[in-house]
Amino acid sequence: EAGVVQSPRYKIIEKKQPVAFWCNPISGHNTLYWYLQNLGQGPELLIRYENEEAVDDSQLPKDRFSAERLKGVDSTLKIQPAELGDSAVYLCASSGREGPETQYFGPGTRLLVL
Amino acid sequence: QKEVEQDPGPLSVPEGAIVSLNCTYSNSAFQYFMWYRQYSRKGPELLMYTYSSGNKEDGRFTAQVDKSSKYISLFIRDSQPSDSATYLCAMRAAYSSASKIIFGSGTRLSIRP
Repeated sequence: EAGVVQSPRYKIIEKKQPVAFWCNPISGHNTLYWYLQNLGQGPELLIRYENEEAVDDSQLPKDRFSAERLKGVDSTLKIQPAELGDSAVYLCASSGREGPETQYFGPGTRLLVL
Repeated sequence: QKEVEQDPGPLSVPEGAIVSLNCTYSNSAFQYFMWYRQYSRKGPELLMYTYSSGNKEDGRFTAQVDKSSKYISLFIRDSQPSDSATYLCAMRAAYSSASKIIFGSGTRLSIRP
């Protein structure tokens, strides 16, 4: 069984440019999470989806970040415009019937904003 | 003060040693406690989780929860160089399946051959 797939793995952009990250969760997992991980820190939740519905986006900076999960499967996280402080690893995770304690993470997208 | 505190290390021990990794927390509502392992440039991988207090063992790994002290531990027996990674504790409250998981900042562990 394939794990959580993310692309791209690395992205370098100049500040003020837009950027998008894509995630495909484990098949059958209804819950999808986007996390931000800064160097030397643990992941911090940005948004959580139950199927197509964003049920927790309280930590998502909505002035520049947006996300969608149109068909309840794969998801896209977008930043527009990117700022220097957005440089970090963006992790996608998914969970199924076992509950949120059993989350499976993708390898992450490492973003560098110059 | 962070809800979950974890010593960043690095912690370096010789191969075969018993490793003890710890986290403290401040929110008494936390009931689910998880340990993740994260290799460099990879996503976190769930090792095990426990509910409420007590111990849980899985192979060379043992997780302990002491809710009275708000302290959790992960023990690794017969440590191997392949155990070298960052270990993240994580926890959440049980009042709702929607309650957010809070991660510690991780402890970097190095096992010397």
